[in-house]
Amino acid sequence: GEDVEQSLFLSVREGDSSVINCTYTDSSSTYLYWYKQEPGAGLQLLTYIFSNMDMKQDQRLTVLLNKKDKHLSLRIADTQTGDSAIYFCAESETDKLIFGTGTRLQVFP
Amino acid sequence: DAMVIQNPRYQVTQFGKPVTLSCSQTLNHNVMYWYQQKSSQAPKLLFHYYDKDFNNEADTPDNFQSRRPNTSFCFLDIRSPGLGDAAMYLCATSREGVRQETQYFGPGTRLLVL
Repeated sequence: GEDVEQSLFLSVREGDSSVINCTYTDSSSTYLYWYKQEPGAGLQLLTYIFSNMDMKQDQRLTVLLNKKDKHLSLRIADTQTGDSAIYFCAESETDKLIFGTGTRLQVFP
Repeated sequence: DAMVIQNPRYQVTQFGKPVTLSCSQTLNHNVMYWYQQKSSQAPKLLFHYYDKDFNNEADTPDNFQSRRPNTSFCFLDIRSPGLGDAAMYLCATSREGVRQETQYFGPGTRLLVL
């Protein structure tokens, strides 16, 4: 079955860059997504990338996709305390999303 | 402007007492989803509606039911909640429910079972 894996924790200093990694298994996924979840809240779509792209940049966010290795990453430039949250990657399978385990990002001053 | 609304945000019920969670959307999307998210875990799809067509995930317990009376509303019914059903329940919508469609999530309802 499909499996999406992420490292559990990441701790960075405010102002540094954060890189959150994800590996997935379904090579036929058309879109791959990054969602952000703050404590006690729902999921907020941050960005997504089409599978025929290698990179997508959106303000402080950069998504890199290595389709050969089935590896997806999210880079957050100039990380702020407000970026502290859990970040989920997800791949699309027909009409549903398969989520990764989530990476908890902690930003310290 | 709220697009996917879930009420209540927090729900407390007793062991075995039926409970209903509600979701509404202003996006006029065809597809509505219910996810269960337990602490420190990824959201897990329970079922979804494509318009009026109900699609149940194979491992969703029979204790969980859903109703969609119209395009805007979808309900999650838990017939006999157990302690293991305590979780955050997330509703989501998408326009057509195909691979390239973005899902929009509500804020979730956190269910506590006493």
